[in-house]
Amino acid sequence: EVQLVESGGGLVQPGGSLKLSCAASEFTLNTYTMAWVRQAPGKGLEWVSGINLSSGNTYYTDSVQGRFLISSDTSRNTLYLQMNSLRAEDTALYYCVKNISPFKVWGQGTMVTVSS
Amino acid sequence: QSVLTQPPSVSGAPGQRVTISCTGSSSNIGAGYDVHWYHQVLGTAPKLVMYSNDNRPSGVPDRFSGSSSGASASLAITGLQAEDEGDYYCQSYDSRQSGNWVFGGGTKLTVL
Repeated sequence: EVQLVESGGGLVQPGGSLKLSCAASEFTLNTYTMAWVRQAPGKGLEWVSGINLSSGNTYYTDSVQGRFLISSDTSRNTLYLQMNSLRAEDTALYYCVKNISPFKVWGQGTMVTVSS
Repeated sequence: QSVLTQPPSVSGAPGQRVTISCTGSSSNIGAGYDVHWYHQVLGTAPKLVMYSNDNRPSGVPDRFSGSSSGASASLAITGLQAEDEGDYYCQSYDSRQSGNWVFGGGTKLTVL
């Protein structure tokens, strides 16, 4: 069964950085598109970033462009999201997702809290 | 404010039929981009329940159906069951948004 396990979330001060990881199992990352989708506490879903691992093309929503970087390590079959210059409004549960639109398989998420 | 508009809540008794609407515009649903639907139970990750307007993933019962016309789409659930309760989100692509893949604001389904 396809599985995605996120890690790396936590409490960080405004302006700080975090790197999220998503370990994939039962499929090989490098032939798929992958995404990060977040959900602020009590709010709806927001697409954050995506990557086409065949072409290397990356995509970002406006609010994170220039601050977040999506990448992968195919040897570890792991997807990453490097988050810099974090803001309070980045506080959310971050989901790793297999396939972009539709978002087919979701991990359980890792919580990121940006607060002083 | 979401690019795709959904009613905040719908409800129905067990066995009844409910529909959830998703209204977009000429830059997303109205431009012919596919609509997908997700179901999220409180405290768990979303699950895809309908893709490309009217296709059910394996394992989703045929009580679920989807449609799209013009700039709107809808998800219908017949024979409501307690397990159908939760939040439902529509999702599509928008050619005018820099965050191109957009979600509706979500609809809370309550099974009475």
